[in-house]
Amino acid sequence: EAQVTQNPRYLITVTGKKLTVTCSQNMNHEYMSWYRQDPGLGLRQIYYSMNVEVTDKGDVPEGYKVSRKEKRNFPLILESPSPNQTSLYFCASSLGTPNEQFFGPGTRLTVL
Amino acid sequence: SQQGEEDPQALSIQEGENATMNCSYKTSINNLQWYRQNSGRGLVHLILIRSNEREKHSGRLRVTLDTSKKSSSLLITASRAADTASYFCATQQVGSEKLVFGKGMKLTVNP
Repeated sequence: EAQVTQNPRYLITVTGKKLTVTCSQNMNHEYMSWYRQDPGLGLRQIYYSMNVEVTDKGDVPEGYKVSRKEKRNFPLILESPSPNQTSLYFCASSLGTPNEQFFGPGTRLTVL
Repeated sequence: SQQGEEDPQALSIQEGENATMNCSYKTSINNLQWYRQNSGRGLVHLILIRSNEREKHSGRLRVTLDTSKKSSSLLITASRAADTASYFCATQQVGSEKLVFGKGMKLTVNP
């Protein structure tokens, strides 16, 4: 089944404790992206990747890192999480440029 | 920066009625996409319209694009309770590989 998977689905952590949210797709998509969703703000793009070893900042990259060492994986790293990074995070992928995006189920992160 | 803005922000209709949602954007685009989200779940792609297209259909969905007014509309005909969801427009701006979403609008279809 074609899908985008994210882990963990739910995470409660404390300020400053490094964490990684994994994202994997099995559709051989070149384009992968991370978004955060906050009430009243819609979805905002954090980082995106056009292909392996090619990543670029979205609209809200501060406090986040990503890597794209393999085509299928695109982890999101929070080196020192802060409470303002409490949010619902989505990973998505698509063929080529940002066409039809396939979204993962989301990761609900709470930073205390 | 938020590119697309959906209007209205919330819409409540009866089953069987048509629902129209509008999206306005600010800069030139390559394409505009509409997505649906059910209650905090992942978004589902509905339809993509390119900047050189004016109208597209997919089942009960009809999308129009007016690049001179920088606006798009999504029409859902013969709505069903299952259409209750949040709807987002997203744009890919010319010269960028980013995808910029609007804040979304909530559609409620009452049985």
